Amino acid sequence: QSVLTQPPSVSGAPGQRVTISCTGSSSNIGAGYDVHWYQLLPGTAPKLLIYGNNNRPSGVPDRFSGSKSATSASLAITGLQAEDEADYYCQSYDSSLSGPWVFGGGTKLTVL
Amino acid sequence: EVQLVESGGGLVQPGGSLRLSCAASGFTFSKYAIHWVRQAPGKGLEYVSAINSKGDSTYYANSVKGRFTISRDNSKNTLWLQMDSLRVEDMAVYYCARARSVVLTARYFDSWGQGTLVTVSS
Repeated sequence: QSVLTQPPSVSGAPGQRVTISCTGSSSNIGAGYDVHWYQLLPGTAPKLLIYGNNNRPSGVPDRFSGSKSATSASLAITGLQAEDEADYYCQSYDSSLSGPWVFGGGTKLTVL
Repeated sequence: EVQLVESGGGLVQPGGSLRLSCAASGFTFSKYAIHWVRQAPGKGLEYVSAINSKGDSTYYANSVKGRFTISRDNSKNTLWLQMDSLRVEDMAVYYCARARSVVLTARYFDSWGQGTLVTVSS
């Protein structure tokens, strides 16, 4: 059971917009700690997509965006492309015994 | 180009030991904290251990505390994870990841290795 809750899967057709939620609690996202997002493709190194809630590292397309409110965060992907099919994870800091650095359970994005 | 390359994974029996290495290149290794993160088969990412840039502060997840030891040699640009008393539940792909932000609560990981597989089975 992950400290941060993500939907196991989401899907969308090419060109569409999808969002992936990340729900936390008062000891992590709700405490004001930043949320970061990673993309995992099979056989490749995990890739940082979003840091500090809504910042993109250089080289990450602006089709990817992040937002945060209260005890949850979201990753939005617009103009869905086949190469976006991957697993996505949120990450934050947690002040409880579950921490300190915690991840969501991951969401499998399928491009239909 | 920033590179992190893990090695040392393999098959080990429950109760056994294994030492993972992470070789860094393309950046000033001594300026960054480094973490170990693992992914068990069919599971999500899990923080395992962390070490600060100087190597004098270490952190461990409760699940590995007392069994794993993280260390680094900045002169060799290398990080290690000594894993003792291994359990079946330690079986996973182990990644080393470069940490950004000296502020622990704002920390994230901007570069990762491709991982090394640790299999614990009799």
